[in-house]
Amino acid sequence: GAGVSQSPSNKVTEKGKDVELRCDPISGHTALYWYRQSLGQGLEFLIYFQGNSAPDKSGLPSDRFSAERTGGSVSTLTIQRTQQEDSAVYLCASSSGQGAGGYTFGSGTRLTVV
Amino acid sequence: GENVEQHPSTLSVQEGDSAVIKCTYSDSASNYFPWYKQELGKRPQLIIDIRSNVGEKKDQRIAVTLNKTAKHFSLHITETQPEDSAVYFCAATGGTSYGKLTFGQGTILTVHP
Repeated sequence: GAGVSQSPSNKVTEKGKDVELRCDPISGHTALYWYRQSLGQGLEFLIYFQGNSAPDKSGLPSDRFSAERTGGSVSTLTIQRTQQEDSAVYLCASSSGQGAGGYTFGSGTRLTVV
Repeated sequence: GENVEQHPSTLSVQEGDSAVIKCTYSDSASNYFPWYKQELGKRPQLIIDIRSNVGEKKDQRIAVTLNKTAKHFSLHITETQPEDSAVYFCAATGGTSYGKLTFGQGTILTVHP
C-alpha cells in the first residue's frame, strides 16, 4: 500500500479483556516495528521483525504482550488481560530493511483500558 | 544496547529565531541518525537523517550535525515559523542494535508568532 496502515484507530476495552492491534506495512518492506507512546512520552520499543529472522522481542514489557507477522507482511500485536497501564498509542513502522534508512510510521492505535 | 539522551525537553523561541536540539548516544558503532517531527495527534515523520560518514547535512531551513568522536548529534532549525511547533525526536541505530531505532525522549518546540 501507499503507507503503513493500522487498525483500529481507536480501541476502548475493559480491564482484563484481550485486544488485537493490526499493522499492514508498506508493500515490499521487510522490516516491521512496534512502538508504544504513552501520553506526552517518548517512543518505547516493543518488538522488531526483519524478514524471516527470529523477531527481537526485547522490548515487550510482560508476557501478556505478543506479536506475530504472517507471510512477512501483516503483523498483529496482542495484549492479553489488559491493564490500565497498557493505555497508550501503539505505533507500527516499517522500513525496507537494515541500514536502509528511517521508518515510515502508521497513524497508530489509541488504546484505552477502562 | 544503545541509549540516546535528548536535550532540552522543552524549547520556546520567537518566530524567526534559531532552535537547536542536541542528542548524545552511547554505542560508538551506531551509524545512522534520523530526526522525526510529531505534530499533535499525528504520526512521527522523518524530516532529516545523517549517516556516520558525513559530518553535516542540510535541507532548506533544517540541518543536522554529527560528531562521532564525542558521540553527539544536533538538529538546527533556522528562521523558525509557528508551523515548526511540534515534538522532535532524535534516534540512533547501528552496531549491536542494527536495524532497530532507539529514540530520545523528545523535545517540545514552541515557536511564538
